[in-house]
Amino acid sequence: GESVGLHLPTLSVQEGDNSIINCAYSNSASDYFIWYKQESGKGPQFIIDIRSNMDKRQGQRVTVLLNKTVKHLSLQIAATQPGDSAVYFCAENVMEYGNKLVFGAGTILRVKS
Amino acid sequence: KAGVTQTPRYLIKTRGQQVTLSCSPISGHRSVSWYQQTPGQGLQFLFEYFSETQRNKGNFPGRFSGRQFSNSRSEMNVSTLELGDSALYLCASSLLSLAGGKETQYFGPGTRLLVL
Repeated sequence: GESVGLHLPTLSVQEGDNSIINCAYSNSASDYFIWYKQESGKGPQFIIDIRSNMDKRQGQRVTVLLNKTVKHLSLQIAATQPGDSAVYFCAENVMEYGNKLVFGAGTILRVKS
Repeated sequence: KAGVTQTPRYLIKTRGQQVTLSCSPISGHRSVSWYQQTPGQGLQFLFEYFSETQRNKGNFPGRFSGRQFSNSRSEMNVSTLELGDSALYLCASSLLSLAGGKETQYFGPGTRLLVL
């Protein structure tokens, strides 16, 4: 079919502020979720993951929240830095599908100094 | 530990030609997955290989194929190239525990393919 260009949402934040990037996933059977960061000219870089038996997981400066009731995932970045500027993707996985990841469209994060 | 490597990094082909892309996973990783990334469709799963066997396949035509070697290195091939095949092709590797638990996929830098 004819492809439609993806219009990625953009989040602009001031350096030092907290960022929250949201993602709605599609499959209620998904049991594993990952956030990736992609900088220009590079492949996606793993940030943090969470399994469906959890609703929150923290890493260094990042927190992922999972709400299975409304099929919603969020990534919180504390004290956002210029180096955090990138496109952020959420991805979902269903165990029976092996390692197939289904990616969201992505969100552009711009950090203003 | 070296990351996922992909060769070549850039490639220009013409319609009708075929292309082979290569991926070397992280040492010890046994699963390799391929994804296509375009501005129009985003990141889409192509296929996954484990122990030289294709375990999963995405919704792409048969012109897209792949294989995995005994050392876990993988190649993907696209035959009869079309303009719409222009994309960033990404390879990801994961350890894949035998218990079937989820394993993080780590991506390579991709191969940028331009079809003229």
